[in-house]
Amino acid sequence: EAEVAQSPRYKITEKSQAVAFWCDPISGHATLYWYRQILGQGPELLVQFQDESVVDDSQLPKDRFSAERLKGVDSTLKIQPAELGDSAMYLCASSLGRLAGEKLYNEQFFGPGTRLTVL
Amino acid sequence: SQQGEEDPQALSIQEGENATMNCSYKTSINNLQWYRQNSGRGLVHLILIRSNEREKHSGRLRVTLDTSKKSSSLLITASRAADTASYFCATDASGTGRRALTFGSGTRLQVQP
Repeated sequence: EAEVAQSPRYKITEKSQAVAFWCDPISGHATLYWYRQILGQGPELLVQFQDESVVDDSQLPKDRFSAERLKGVDSTLKIQPAELGDSAMYLCASSLGRLAGEKLYNEQFFGPGTRLTVL
Repeated sequence: SQQGEEDPQALSIQEGENATMNCSYKTSINNLQWYRQNSGRGLVHLILIRSNEREKHSGRLRVTLDTSKKSSSLLITASRAADTASYFCATDASGTGRRALTFGSGTRLQVQP
């Protein structure tokens, strides 16, 4: 069964360092999402891509976070410099993102996540 | 910001009992989805209910949606220890041009064997 791949699974870094996360969505999925999940809370959207274009990055702290999906397939999320408050689970998800019948239903498929700890 | 609020925040039941979780949301929606998350893992999609549907079943899961009250419930019947996880509702807002889901804060379910 097709899955969303993420790496690394765990990352420990010191504040002010740079970190990068990678995501490979399910083949054929046009829409890719990066979410941040703080312990005990639900995921919150950071950035959404439709193919290679950013659809929504309104919640992305652009002074330190960047995301790209150059060929419209896999994606990288970067944090530079990392801060203590960035410690969280970073989840990538993908959805078909195309019209199916009358409406677009975006059932999302999640990767296992990257657990980031900033010391 | 979180759109949905789940109730209760935590629930502990015995195996074989039913578990009911509730979700309230704020804006109009295209559909509402329920996800499950095992500790330290990614989320797994359970069920989707459209805004024009009132009830939906999938195996031991039953979801209801009341758009007039902006609320949904997830019922897990005959619970098993393996159902222990966090459960999140997520809304897909309509008419905004956004297709990202907005998640609630989750209900942590513990099923005692």
